[in-house]
Amino acid sequence: GENVEQHPSTLSVQEGDSAVIKCTYSDSASNYFPWYKQELGKRPQLIIDIRSNVGEKKDQRIAVTLNKTAKHFSLHITETQPEDSAVYFCAPVTGANNLFFGTGTRLTVIP
Amino acid sequence: SAVISQKPSRDICQRGTSLTIQCQVDSQVTMMFWYRQQPGQSLTLIATANQGSEATYESGFVIDKFPISRPNLTFSTLTVSNMSPEDSSIYLCSFTAGGTISYEQYFGPGTRLTVT
Repeated sequence: GENVEQHPSTLSVQEGDSAVIKCTYSDSASNYFPWYKQELGKRPQLIIDIRSNVGEKKDQRIAVTLNKTAKHFSLHITETQPEDSAVYFCAPVTGANNLFFGTGTRLTVIP
Repeated sequence: SAVISQKPSRDICQRGTSLTIQCQVDSQVTMMFWYRQQPGQSLTLIATANQGSEATYESGFVIDKFPISRPNLTFSTLTVSNMSPEDSSIYLCSFTAGGTISYEQYFGPGTRLTVT
């Protein structure tokens, strides 16, 4: 089955700094690469996604980059704010049309 | 976008009993899913709930333990059978926009289950 890893598992940054979370996957046929944010006690919500025919996508302070050759994609958050504090999950969809959530990254933004 | 709800929001159950969790979407959706999220952990897919046919279970999950119903395109249930403390977890349902798994998933608020 698909092997999905996220790094780092925890990340603390000062407010205003940038944060980068990396997700590596094993199935070269994966074709959809989303990132979900889960605040404490809440449900996961999609914050950005990218498809395999695109290398980068940006939405205000959030961006996702994809390197299909190396089989990884990354979440970039700029100008971090305390409300960005949450657990972030990648969830690549494999060529077999399965979805695996990564192990999660707990981001803490220090005011 | 569609609204998704779950009932109950939480429950405390005795070991050996069963609990049925309901998931309701306010519009018709093709694909619905059930996940388990243990405290401090990631989400693990239990099964895909298929309308009009049996659910498709992931490795490590079986129908006898987690029977699923999908009677129509707006509703699904997950039963956690013969519960043990190891079943204590949050159970979430979800659906995908676009009708395939390669689209955004919308999650229900979750059911927090504690088994004593």
